[in-house]
Amino acid sequence: DVKVTQSSRYLVKRTGEKVFLECVQDMDHENMFWYRQDPGLGLRLIYFSYDVKMKEKGDIPEGYSVSREKKERFSLILESASTNQTSMYLCASRITGGRNTEAFFGQGTRLTVV
Amino acid sequence: GQQVMQIPQYQHVQEGEDFTTYCNSSTTLSNIQWYKQRPGGHPVFLIQLVKSGEVKKQKRLTFQFGEAKKNSSLHITATQTTDVGTYFCAAHMEYGNKLVFGAGTILRVKS
Repeated sequence: DVKVTQSSRYLVKRTGEKVFLECVQDMDHENMFWYRQDPGLGLRLIYFSYDVKMKEKGDIPEGYSVSREKKERFSLILESASTNQTSMYLCASRITGGRNTEAFFGQGTRLTVV
Repeated sequence: GQQVMQIPQYQHVQEGEDFTTYCNSSTTLSNIQWYKQRPGGHPVFLIQLVKSGEVKKQKRLTFQFGEAKKNSSLHITATQTTDVGTYFCAAHMEYGNKLVFGAGTILRVKS
């Protein structure tokens, strides 16, 4: 079974802190995604990556950056956390190349910025 | 912003009643996927539709893809308490790399 693992289930950070959210997948998927989930807004795409060192902005990239140095790991970085970044963050991956493939999600990280 | 619109946002039904959620796009989609997220869980893939007018069934769940490939629906017959959760549609945009989700429909079932 595909496994997508996020480093933390719950995080509490202070405003202005630099925050790293880590995601690791074990199935050699080339495509990885970061979403945030907020009530009434569904899953909004922050960034995605289709290969090592490649990244593309999603719909709400402001305030975030990403890193993909290794194929299995995709990191989301909040350079200076703000309270409006309090949310559930979900990482996903899917198999290389093909468009007709399902995404596998991690368990999510609930981030609270105080 | 989001390019896939999903309605309704929320539905509360009596156990045994039917439920439907709808997904619409202004552009033609190459495919549409459906996911279910149980309360406290993460989204899990249910099915993918690719062909124009395609209909697929999974037990009490019926999935349809519109003839123009711009809309889709998920229908649950005779809901059960195990059906509770949020149902999302999702589509690949921009040459297939970008996976965009609808806002989701939250289903609650009264027993």
